[in-house]
Amino acid sequence: GAVVSQHPSWVICKSGTSVKIECRSLDFQATTMFWYRQFPKQSLMLMATSNEGSKATYEQGVEKDKFLINHASLTLSTLTVTSAHPEDSSFYICSAPPSREAADTQYFGPGTRLTVL
Amino acid sequence: QKEVEQDPGPLSVPEGAIVSLNCTYSNSAFQYFMWYRQYSRKGPELLMYTYSSGNKEDGRFTAQVDKSSKYISLFIRDSQPSDSATYLCAMSASYNKLIFGAGTRLAVHP
Repeated sequence: GAVVSQHPSWVICKSGTSVKIECRSLDFQATTMFWYRQFPKQSLMLMATSNEGSKATYEQGVEKDKFLINHASLTLSTLTVTSAHPEDSSFYICSAPPSREAADTQYFGPGTRLTVL
Repeated sequence: QKEVEQDPGPLSVPEGAIVSLNCTYSNSAFQYFMWYRQYSRKGPELLMYTYSSGNKEDGRFTAQVDKSSKYISLFIRDSQPSDSATYLCAMSASYNKLIFGAGTRLAVHP
């Protein structure tokens, strides 16, 4: 099946710093990628839709100036958490549809666990 | 009321049992239905995908969608300890936005 990778898998940072998370589609091109956040024992909540070559679309309540998304190529989207605070500590997961024909399914990356001290 | 309701469990069953996992939803526009399995601290893995109503079988897994009742199910036959994970239902009206259930934690004990 389609493979989506994320880097890093785990990051610890100090409050006030910025953290960049990468999401790559390894064996397919993705014009659209999705970013989710998952708090412990809770479900995935869509944060934003990343579109290659254009601005990301953010869900209601998600601060676009805090969570910067860049989809610079067909295989890479990045999420930068700016001025991170402890309440931003969470599990961040990206996903992508494996092909235009299968645009109604999504394959997920392994996730990035962010801990802000 | 949440768009997708799913009992978080936990659900504990003996090895070999048939497991039934369910979700209900309120948005009649949903037409794509998925089940994902998520192991602890890992990303979700797509298990089953169904478009509109009907049944779909894949090995030990069977997915059912009843759009008239707004109810979907996942059955696991001959459950194994390796099936222990959180199972998430997800659905969408278009591919742009998946709505997830809360996830049901399943434990299969030997």
